[in-house]
Amino acid sequence: KQEVTQIPAALSVPEGENLVLNCSFTDSAIYNLQWFRQDPGKGLTSLLLIQSSQREQTSGRLNASLDKSSGRSTLYIAASQPGDSATYLCAVEDSSNTGKLIFGQGTTLQVKP
Amino acid sequence: EPEVTQTPSHQVTQMGQEVILRCVPISNHLYFYWYRQILGQKVEFLVSFYNNEISEKSEIFDDQFSVERPDGSNFTLKIRSTKLEDSAMYFCASSGLAGTEAFFGQGTRLTVV
Repeated sequence: KQEVTQIPAALSVPEGENLVLNCSFTDSAIYNLQWFRQDPGKGLTSLLLIQSSQREQTSGRLNASLDKSSGRSTLYIAASQPGDSATYLCAVEDSSNTGKLIFGQGTTLQVKP
Repeated sequence: EPEVTQTPSHQVTQMGQEVILRCVPISNHLYFYWYRQILGQKVEFLVSFYNNEISEKSEIFDDQFSVERPDGSNFTLKIRSTKLEDSAMYFCASSGLAGTEAFFGQGTRLTVV
């Protein structure tokens, strides 16, 4: 059974710092991996999708990498801003081809001005 | 920009009552999903729906739950007889195909009293 784990559970950094969020999954037979942002009490905003054949994706100050064989992904945030404060969720789509996503518990990021 | 919309944003219901949560997925998407998030816990998959039928469902999605696409735009989740433990945020999502980016709505917070 696929399990997704995110470390750390919480992170507090000063504004301007570069940071890395980690995601690991137990079964490497994934279709893709998606990173989301969730603000308190709100929905999930898609940040990046990495297909299983890709190694990384970039969007603005965000860069996500995928090492399928070792079951790991990282989300790199450059030059963090207070507006980046949110919970970041990692989710993998398994190989069943039904679109089902399995989520980690998230990393709650606080960027202090 | 196209988005997934959910109504209502918050619903309070008495235990044992039926509730219907409504969603309008992105118009050209083919896959539709429901997820839930109990406060402080992971986002959990409930069901995926494609071509007017359920393509996968989780153990949570028992006989008390049903989904329907009553017309060309709406996608609904019905809980027949709500329990206290059904209190959660329910998210609808859609994707163009399985394996492509999933877009989530803002959620319906269901409170069962």
